[in-house]
Amino acid sequence: AQSVTQLGSHVSVSEGALVLLRCNYSSSVPPYLFWYVQYPNQGLQLLLKYTSAATLVKGINGFEAEFKKSETSFHLTKPSAHMSDAAEYFCAVSEGTGFQKLVFGTGTRLLVSP
Amino acid sequence: GAVVSQHPSRVICKSGTSVKIECRSLDFQATTMFWYRQFPKQSLMLMATSNEGSKATYEQGVEKDKFLINHASLTLSTLTVTSAHPEDSSFYICSAVDTSSYNEQFFGPGTRLTVL
Repeated sequence: AQSVTQLGSHVSVSEGALVLLRCNYSSSVPPYLFWYVQYPNQGLQLLLKYTSAATLVKGINGFEAEFKKSETSFHLTKPSAHMSDAAEYFCAVSEGTGFQKLVFGTGTRLLVSP
Repeated sequence: GAVVSQHPSRVICKSGTSVKIECRSLDFQATTMFWYRQFPKQSLMLMATSNEGSKATYEQGVEKDKFLINHASLTLSTLTVTSAHPEDSSFYICSAVDTSSYNEQFFGPGTRLTVL
């Protein structure tokens, strides 16, 4: 069965600093991987997705993630944090191909200080 | 992108009552919708897969008689929490699959249920 591990329940950065949110996955099939962002009391918004095409995936709001099969990782990065990036971030893997049942990680709360 | 709405956004009810939550795909048809539950500061847990015109598929450990799901049309799925108890208090989120957009799941804004 597919699973996702997100290291660090909280990550704190200063505004303008590099953002790195870690995600490792376990999958018995070539995975479809996703990063979602959730603002307080809101649903999830898709940041980016990996669907077996390019290993470096660019998403919205300046975020990108690199799929590394050898490390079973899909870490999320952004070169320069903005105050508006403060939110909860979830990594997810799809059970099977496409956007089928998603298995979510436990989430990482990004805190951005001025 | 596609838009999914949920109604109500917040609901407070007394223990023992039933609460219905609606999930609508506003600008696309969705044969498949998912219902998730999120506890405070935790991840989303899939409760069930809702398929238009057929019975929902529940995840292990989810009581189907307590969480009734109806997907009567291609744009509407409802989740009814029957005989609600305080432990049912949670954030419920639905998603709808847009088959015209590479089967991407689009999420609703969620419903905060508080059972007194």
